[in-house]
Amino acid sequence: EAQVTQNPRYLITVTGKKLTVTCSQNMNHEYMSWYRQDPGLGLRQIYYSMNVEVTDKGDVPEGYKVSRKEKRNFPLILESPSPNQTSLYFCASSLWGPGMAEAFFGQGTRLTVV
Amino acid sequence: DAKTTQPPSMDCAEGRAANLPCNHSTISGNEYVYWYRQIHSQGPQYIIHGLKNNETNEMASLIITEDRKSSTLILPHATLRDTAVYYCIVRVNNAGNMLTFGGGTRLMVKP
Repeated sequence: EAQVTQNPRYLITVTGKKLTVTCSQNMNHEYMSWYRQDPGLGLRQIYYSMNVEVTDKGDVPEGYKVSRKEKRNFPLILESPSPNQTSLYFCASSLWGPGMAEAFFGQGTRLTVV
Repeated sequence: DAKTTQPPSMDCAEGRAANLPCNHSTISGNEYVYWYRQIHSQGPQYIIHGLKNNETNEMASLIITEDRKSSTLILPHATLRDTAVYYCIVRVNNAGNMLTFGGGTRLMVKP
């Protein structure tokens, strides 16, 4: 079954404690991205990757890091989480290039930073 | 990417067709119209997309006006499980894969 898998689904952490949210897709997609969703602000893109070792900033990259060492994985790293990073996070993947159609989204990670 | 305008909310009776409008008056010739939906707090789900011809798949139909300045997503027989926020997105297919989500339309299907 084609899917994007995020872990963990729920996480409560303390300010400053480094954490990683994993994302994996099984569709051999070139393109992967991370979004955060906040009430009243909608879905905003954090980082994206067009292929292995190629990453770029989205609209709200501050406080986040990503890496793309393998095609299937695209972890989101918060080196020093702060309460304003409390949010619902989604990973997405799709084919890259002209004719790209649908993007597949993970089920989300609800992060609370206290 | 062109900006879209959608009503913030709509109601629909179960079993009836749900017609969700989207205005994209500044759309350019190479921009596609995409529709996604988000059920509660799940990940957004792709529904359908089109350029200028009407499109239909197992989930919905997409009607694009001849001048391409607006479109309508049609769910032919809405069920309670179609209650969700529906996003209309306009973008160029070969300019990067970022999807810019606006406020969407919150569709409430009622028994």
